[in-house]
Amino acid sequence: DTAVSQTPKYLVTQMGNDKSIKCEQNLGHDTMYWYKQDSKKFLKIMFSYNNKELIINETVPNRFSPKSPDKAHLNLHINSLELGDSAVYFCASSQLTREQYFGPGTRLTVT
Amino acid sequence: AQTVTQSQPEMSVQEAETVTLSCTYDTSESDYYLFWYKQPPSRQMILVIRQEAYKQQNATENRFSVNFQKAAKSFSLKISDSQLGDAAMYFCAYRSASRGAQKLVFGQGTRLTINP
Repeated sequence: DTAVSQTPKYLVTQMGNDKSIKCEQNLGHDTMYWYKQDSKKFLKIMFSYNNKELIINETVPNRFSPKSPDKAHLNLHINSLELGDSAVYFCASSQLTREQYFGPGTRLTVT
Repeated sequence: AQTVTQSQPEMSVQEAETVTLSCTYDTSESDYYLFWYKQPPSRQMILVIRQEAYKQQNATENRFSVNFQKAAKSFSLKISDSQLGDAAMYFCAYRSASRGAQKLVFGQGTRLTINP
């Protein structure tokens, strides 16, 4: 009965590869988010979707592309991975202006 | 743009004692929300407490309470009767109440250690 789930939890890959992280929420929320937590633990918004529509797109390289096939899913695809992409990526969801609930995070390591 | 500042990178407290974590923020908006999230070593982000800016009453959740000073743009978290399980990174976060501006803006975090 996990509320917000992400797969995989750990991802180790080489520079130049393409990878995807999947997120699903079963809370019935209409808004989903991707956040990045860097090595200093700083959390920053990357994207937000509301009812499958992109509403927030922070300054993120074009190599990052979110996709929302439906309200319950928000995936993150990353092309041509770089060393600096190593971080923990969190998916979150909320209903309108209510609080956001986070997934367990995906630790991405690029070697 | 809104900013959130947590000036205490690390704090420690004896078990069963009380500790207060500081947070200040900068905004020109009058309506917004403030949150404290906890991140234990498991990495999971857990919502601790929420405060609506239009409410004067400070939010309380069991051993956790806040001191919200809107004019001073201050939002501190008080943890009473500290327990070993409270050890974690604590993040203060701001969110505008405007529709469509739903991102959380986080502070740098405070690492809380509980000494047995």
